[in-house]
Amino acid sequence: NAGVMQNPRHLVRRRGQEARLRCSPMKGHSHVYWYRQLPEEGLKFMVYLQKENIIDESGMPKERFSAEFPKEGPSILRIQQVVRGDSAAYFCASSPSSGDTEAFFGQGTRLTVV
Amino acid sequence: GENVEQHPSTLSVQEGDSAVIKCTYSDSASNYFPWYKQELGKRPQLIIDIRSNVGEKKDQRIAVTLNKTAKHFSLHITETQPEDSAVYFCAASRSSARQLTFGSGTQLTVLP
Repeated sequence: NAGVMQNPRHLVRRRGQEARLRCSPMKGHSHVYWYRQLPEEGLKFMVYLQKENIIDESGMPKERFSAEFPKEGPSILRIQQVVRGDSAAYFCASSPSSGDTEAFFGQGTRLTVV
Repeated sequence: GENVEQHPSTLSVQEGDSAVIKCTYSDSASNYFPWYKQELGKRPQLIIDIRSNVGEKKDQRIAVTLNKTAKHFSLHITETQPEDSAVYFCAASRSSARQLTFGSGTQLTVLP
């Protein structure tokens, strides 16, 4: 089991560009969570998705941010028209479809907006 | 929503001593309290967790205690080693691995 895979590990974007972050959950996991970690801060919940459904997006900024988890392929966190304040580490976690168990985190994508 | 406070923000101990990190939470419906260790530039890794039906849980040198009445929980690391140096995060959730609310982290440094 390869674990939660995120790519790219590092992403540099100029202000105004789009950033696409990918997350492949662990095999057999159908729940995906995205968190953002600003430098020297804790992780902040952004969005919780199951296959083809957004379950909770209460932590997502209302503009420029969107997330999806299609039936096939990885979950995508998309940030449009990036600004310097979007620079952060974005972590994805996954958990199984049922059962009361922990979420496993990926290695994260470090986004730098220049 | 849930709010998790974590103290101290930095902690230095001598190798072999114990380290204690404390967290408080605000949502009385929270029932799952994990602790994560994060080394520089790496992913958060679960080191221990506790559910609200348990007051204490231990795993070798690591233990966690939970006081539901006071809404606080603590991480205890005994016989600290230099490899314990990392940032430790507490978190709280209403249901297991769902939307976790994290504390702000404690930078633990174990001095040889």
